[in-house]
Amino acid sequence: EPEVTQTPSHQVTQMGQEVILRCVPISNHLYFYWYRQILGQKVEFLVSFYNNEISEKSEIFDDQFSVERPDGSNFTLKIRSTKLEDSAMYFCASRVTGYTGELFFGEGSRLTVL
Amino acid sequence: SQQGEEDPQALSIQEGENATMNCSYKTSINNLQWYRQNSGRGLVHLILIRSNEREKHSGRLRVTLDTSKKSSSLLITASRAADTASYFCATDSYDAGNMLTFGGGTRLMVKP
Repeated sequence: EPEVTQTPSHQVTQMGQEVILRCVPISNHLYFYWYRQILGQKVEFLVSFYNNEISEKSEIFDDQFSVERPDGSNFTLKIRSTKLEDSAMYFCASRVTGYTGELFFGEGSRLTVL
Repeated sequence: SQQGEEDPQALSIQEGENATMNCSYKTSINNLQWYRQNSGRGLVHLILIRSNEREKHSGRLRVTLDTSKKSSSLLITASRAADTASYFCATDSYDAGNMLTFGGGTRLMVKP
């Protein structure tokens, strides 16, 4: 069964360092997403990506964050200068269409900022 | 204010009992979905109900949707210890763009 894969599963970094989280969405999906979940809390939308550009972003997704799809398969989230409050689980998700349909999630990348 | 708020925040029941979780939302929706999350894992889709549907079943799951009250409920019948997880409702809305908006979740514990 096709699945969304994420790497790394856990990353520990020092405050101020750059982090890149990687995702391989399901191949025939067109809409890609990053969500964040601080431990035990709600799942927060960060950004959606369609047709090689950002289509929606939340107020959390400030200038420190960026996304790109450097090739036909990978979808990355970059945090330029990490802060303590960026510590969270980051989930990549994809689906065939926007506005409706099931989201397929990866297992997440746990980011710990020290 | 948040789209999709679950009630209760935590629920503890015995195996074999039914579990009911509720979700309220604020704007008009295209559909409402329920997801399950085991501790430390990704979210898994359970069921989707469209805005023109009132009830949907899938195995031991029953979902209702009341668009006049902007609320939904998820019923898990004959619960099992393996149903222990967090359950989230999420809404698709043209007003919100192409993203799915999640609520805070209900933590369900099923005791054997």
